[in-house]
Amino acid sequence: GESVGLHLPTLSVQEGDNSIINCAYSNSASDYFIWYKQESGKGPQFIIDIRSNMDKRQGQRVTVLLNKTVKHLSLQIAATQPGDSAVYFCAENRNSWGKLQFGAGTQVVVTP
Amino acid sequence: DGGITQSPKYLFRKEGQNVTLSCEQNLNHDAMYWYRQDPGQGLRLIYYSQIVNDFQKGDIAEGYSVSREKKESFPLTVTSAQKNPTAFYLCASVDRGSYNEQFFGPGTRLTVL
Repeated sequence: GESVGLHLPTLSVQEGDNSIINCAYSNSASDYFIWYKQESGKGPQFIIDIRSNMDKRQGQRVTVLLNKTVKHLSLQIAATQPGDSAVYFCAENRNSWGKLQFGAGTQVVVTP
Repeated sequence: DGGITQSPKYLFRKEGQNVTLSCEQNLNHDAMYWYRQDPGQGLRLIYYSQIVNDFQKGDIAEGYSVSREKKESFPLTVTSAQKNPTAFYLCASVDRGSYNEQFFGPGTRLTVL
């Protein structure tokens, strides 16, 4: 069936390095792709989204890239900090009512 | 402070009992959602409500029920019909027109003994 999934379950990154979190999707009809961050024991927080007609969007220290040809989404975090340690989820918005479809998540561990 | 709250944070239930999880928001959001999260997995949608007195089933609604009598409240009842209810439950709300940016509560961890 249609799904959103992640390539790597755990990513270990040294503090100060850049992080790249990947996500594969199969539904070409989705309007938006979104990244959320979930710290341990908390609810997810919105990071950034990208519309399906774009291929790049930048935020504060984050960049999302969308490659529709290979149905691939990535989140780049610049100069990774200890506070970036969390689980990162990609999600897709397939309709106008916020019925988001979440991937399984990637655990990012920032080491000193 | 505007936000979304869930209570209780931890909940223990005996098999065969129904239990209701609270979700309240003062963000004046129209839409609210309930998700279930199991260890090492993503979020799965249980129910959602776009407006007061209206709600729809999500992907895993069996064994759950909701109500939306007030804009700010969207309680979830986990019934005895839910075969594997132990999980982390997350409530979210969103402003109409910004459906990608859902605001999540802190979650309720339900354990069935």
